[in-house]
Amino acid sequence: AQSVTQPDIHITVSEGASLELRCNYSYGATPYLFWYVQSPGQGLQLLLKYFSGDTLVQGIKGFEAEFKRSQSSFNLRKPSVHWSDAAEYFCAVVFPSGSARQLTFGSGTQLTVLP
Amino acid sequence: DGGITQSPKYLFRKEGQNVTLSCEQNLNHDAMYWYRQDPGQGLRLIYYSQIVNDFQKGDIAEGYSVSREKKESFPLTVTSAQKNPTAFYLCASSTALTGDEQYFGPGTRLTVT
Repeated sequence: AQSVTQPDIHITVSEGASLELRCNYSYGATPYLFWYVQSPGQGLQLLLKYFSGDTLVQGIKGFEAEFKRSQSSFNLRKPSVHWSDAAEYFCAVVFPSGSARQLTFGSGTQLTVLP
Repeated sequence: DGGITQSPKYLFRKEGQNVTLSCEQNLNHDAMYWYRQDPGQGLRLIYYSQIVNDFQKGDIAEGYSVSREKKESFPLTVTSAQKNPTAFYLCASSTALTGDEQYFGPGTRLTVT
């Protein structure tokens, strides 16, 4: 079955530290991949996306993600976290072979940033 | 500014009442979506519409209904048949050409008691 997994429910980092949020998918081919961020009580904002091409993708707010086909992963990274990065992060995929190209979301990773 | 608006931000209803959540977009997007968000479960698709006067059920459509009479509007009705309606509801839209990238509204938090 096609699925997307975010193994870490909650991550805590100190301000200025580096960050990596994990995302894995289960699918026979390469899906379209997205990372969204959600502040409390707000909608989702797109951070970055991967459709094809260069496997290292740059996004907004200093985030980047790397697609690794061999590991079926699309991990989100930031070299130095700011207090304003505290939010919930969702990995999402579209499986192109489906009859309806729907976004399938992971369950999210809550990021806490310590001063 | 172009965007997606959802109203109201907070909504309270008594059990057994139907309630309609508003979603409007001025992005000229063809496709619109409704998601439900519960803690620890990510987002789940309720309904989506790729064109006016047409819509399809998502993964959790039971107890919900929608209409798409105008391109800009995609209201969601939470009926009394929905067993657990208290949740955060998010509306999204996308173009036909880049339909995989969705833009989200600010959400409506519905509480049913």
